[in-house]
Amino acid sequence: KAGVTQTPRYLIKTRGQQVTLSCSPISGHRSVSWYQQTPGQGLQFLFEYFSETQRNKGNFPGRFSGRQFSNSRSEMNVSTLELGDSALYLCASSTGGRDYEQYFGPGTRLTVT
Amino acid sequence: GQSLEQPSEVTAVEGAIVQINCTYQTSGFYGLSWYQQHDGGAPTFLSYNALDGLEETGRFSSFLSRSDSYGYLLLQELQMKDSASYFCAVRDRKLIFGQGTELSVKP
Repeated sequence: KAGVTQTPRYLIKTRGQQVTLSCSPISGHRSVSWYQQTPGQGLQFLFEYFSETQRNKGNFPGRFSGRQFSNSRSEMNVSTLELGDSALYLCASSTGGRDYEQYFGPGTRLTVT
Repeated sequence: GQSLEQPSEVTAVEGAIVQINCTYQTSGFYGLSWYQQHDGGAPTFLSYNALDGLEETGRFSSFLSRSDSYGYLLLQELQMKDSASYFCAVRDRKLIFGQGTELSVKP
């Protein structure tokens, strides 16, 4: 089975712009979660989607949003980028019944200048 | 609030045994997972404990005590390739990750 894929792998944006990141889960996985990873804050949960519905949400401002499509692919969007949004954004998929066992993609490294 | 505490760094020598502890304080708890992340790589799932006790998977074992809100990951017969960051994660309605422990294995 192919693993979780994320595009793009690297992105450089300027403050005030918006960005869309994409994630394709492992085939058959219906749950997709997004995390932000920074050296100082570790892995922070953004949100989780299951069958096109947001099931859980972390403590991030409304500038961070996401969605999931009928084929389980997911996108996250960050609007009005701030310098502090520079981070590695990781997507993870799971079968839903075993959400403690998540399969992570390689991440998108976002740099905001 | 919700918090997970684990040591920031641990150093050990090849062939040795190392234990990485994790204490947690969360509003809900269904179980404790452990993940490994090499530099520049994606986190990979190692183990999960929903009930008290020890789970063994090859050289790695994980332990949970729900009454003490405590768990640990035990790595035996350390190899250089075990140098990585290790994260504990509490399964509430979502996964809440600790800050990670950077393990350095020396020859």
